[in-house]
Amino acid sequence: NAGVTQTPKFQVLKTGQSMTLQCAQDMNHNSMYWYRQDPGMGLRLIYYSASEGTTDKGEVPNGYNVSRLNKREFSLRLESAAPSQTSVYFCASSPQATSGNIQYFGAGTRLSVL
Amino acid sequence: QKEVEQNSGPLSVPEGAIASLNCTYSDRGSQSFFWYRQYSGKSPELIMFIYSNGDKEDGRFTAQLNKASQYVSLLIRDSQPSDSATYLCAALTGGGNKLTFGTGTQLKVEL
Repeated sequence: NAGVTQTPKFQVLKTGQSMTLQCAQDMNHNSMYWYRQDPGMGLRLIYYSASEGTTDKGEVPNGYNVSRLNKREFSLRLESAAPSQTSVYFCASSPQATSGNIQYFGAGTRLSVL
Repeated sequence: QKEVEQNSGPLSVPEGAIASLNCTYSDRGSQSFFWYRQYSGKSPELIMFIYSNGDKEDGRFTAQLNKASQYVSLLIRDSQPSDSATYLCAALTGGGNKLTFGTGTQLKVEL
């Protein structure tokens, strides 16, 4: 049982390049989330999907797009990477986006934009 | 004012002591609160959640919630070096759709 799987684990981009971070969960969870974590800033929500077919902006959505491909997969796309997007990105999932919203995290993607 | 605030630490305690980690929140509508532990270079993992006023115990961990004071705490009894990590407090906000995290408190348990 893999839980939440993120790919890739590490990535280096040049400014202006694009890439998609992949996330898949095998727990049959309804809700999925993308966070970024920067030193001293904690975890900040980029986008989330409360259920298949819906997506909503979080605290820091600028420069990102998401796709809830199906119930299992939720991808995060950087169309034109900027050095400010250098961060650790975590995907998470939960059974549902309501009270008792226990989120389970993937191992993270460490992204550097040069 | 941040929605969820924590002292960044580091908080240093000797092995075997009680570690007390504190968190305040600003959204009075928040109903549920979570404590995650994050080791350096790893992903957050859930320790406990609480949604009723009072104490909730699980092994060496006790979560405390005071909604009137908008205050959440985590007590770790008999602290061990393996407890050294960053502890993240989170509140369920946005009408119950998303978690807002504090910046975390670094705990160091010294031999």
